[in-house]
Amino acid sequence: GENVEQHPSTLSVQEGDSAVIKCTYSDSASNYFPWYKQELGKRPQLIIDIRSNVGEKKDQRIAVTLNKTAKHFSLHITETQPEDSAVYFCAAGNAGGTSYGKLTFGQGTILTVHP
Amino acid sequence: NAGVTQTPKFRILKIGQSMTLQCTQDMNHNYMYWYRQDPGMGLKLIYYSVGAGITDKGEVPNGYNVSRSTTEDFPLRLELAAPSQTSVYFCASSYPGKLFFGSGTQLSVL
Repeated sequence: GENVEQHPSTLSVQEGDSAVIKCTYSDSASNYFPWYKQELGKRPQLIIDIRSNVGEKKDQRIAVTLNKTAKHFSLHITETQPEDSAVYFCAAGNAGGTSYGKLTFGQGTILTVHP
Repeated sequence: NAGVTQTPKFRILKIGQSMTLQCTQDMNHNYMYWYRQDPGMGLKLIYYSVGAGITDKGEVPNGYNVSRSTTEDFPLRLELAAPSQTSVYFCASSYPGKLFFGSGTQLSVL
């Protein structure tokens, strides 16, 4: 089955700095890579996703890049703000038929943005 | 729309007790899922369903059972609770391209 490794486990940045979280996956059949943000005590919420036919996707201060050959993808947050502080999870799966929810998640990264 | 609704929010069980975690969605999604999240860990898939009457095992199904009699409801049953089942449980439904999570059930087995 799929295995997703996520690094770093904790990340501390100053407000305004950039933050990068990296994930690797093992199953070459995976073609859907979402990122979730989870605030303390809350449910995970999708912040951005990418399909394997795209190398990069941006949404305001958030971007995701994908390298299919190396089987890794990354989340980039620019101009970080204190409200970006949360746990971020990467995931991998196969975006076909029933598979959008059959995701394998990384271990999570605790991002802390200091004012 | 309420989205995905889970009950209860918190529960404490004694070892060997049974309980059902309720999940309902009002988005008419065919696909529904149960995940568990252990402290400091990512989410692991327990069971999923692609429609009423159809369920299948995920990555960590042992100790759990599910049923799907309607599109809206996807309850998760714990028959003989064990301390290893202490976790936060999230139900989710999906529309192609997006997974919607419920607010979670925090379960402690003592």
